[in-house]
Amino acid sequence: DAKTTQPPSMDCAEGRAANLPCNHSTISGNEYVYWYRQIHSQGPQYIIHGLKNNETNEMASLIITEDRKSSTLILPHATLRDTAVYYCIADNAGGTSYGKLTFGQGTILTVHP
Amino acid sequence: EPEVTQTPSHQVTQMGQEVILRCVPISNHLYFYWYRQILGQKVEFLVSFYNNEISEKSEIFDDQFSVERPDGSNFTLKIRSTKLEDSAMYFCASNPDRGEQYFGPGTRLTVT
Repeated sequence: DAKTTQPPSMDCAEGRAANLPCNHSTISGNEYVYWYRQIHSQGPQYIIHGLKNNETNEMASLIITEDRKSSTLILPHATLRDTAVYYCIADNAGGTSYGKLTFGQGTILTVHP
Repeated sequence: EPEVTQTPSHQVTQMGQEVILRCVPISNHLYFYWYRQILGQKVEFLVSFYNNEISEKSEIFDDQFSVERPDGSNFTLKIRSTKLEDSAMYFCASNPDRGEQYFGPGTRLTVT
């Protein structure tokens, strides 16, 4: 799996958009970009994933650059409950890795009132 | 909405004792996983399980660890002889295919 790089921490005001960047310059053509988050010591929670195209669901949007070397997770209207550690993971879903997720340190997002 | 459940939420055991951590994955899922997170550290992959056998395991998953799907619903992680360094949160996860994984709330294991 490709290595990903994220800033260690970010702040965001409640109600504003939170934009979390991720670099994955060595990503291979069949690797998806997955985003998970972990609130306090709870189990990681799946947010969104994509391969090439931008994706949106009820939780977030994922913008992937055309060269696929970086991506941005967007939480459009951050709330206090979005305070968490956010993980960007490149995963060869359906490949030979059998779904093993390799977590990094992630980005600690703190949403302020 | 279906979810992965884990029991117990907290397990305290003495060094050298055997522990079994239990997970009930989402019912139509086929792939099962165990991860652990030592306090203040990253979430680490332990093992993946598919079609009643281990698909992949990490270096952490040594002979002291084993997994089993004893019936159609449970997925267990056994640690044969616990060490102090096994103290961690243990998370079970599952998915219907090799896409997004759904995690349980975790079991906090404390080895004294």
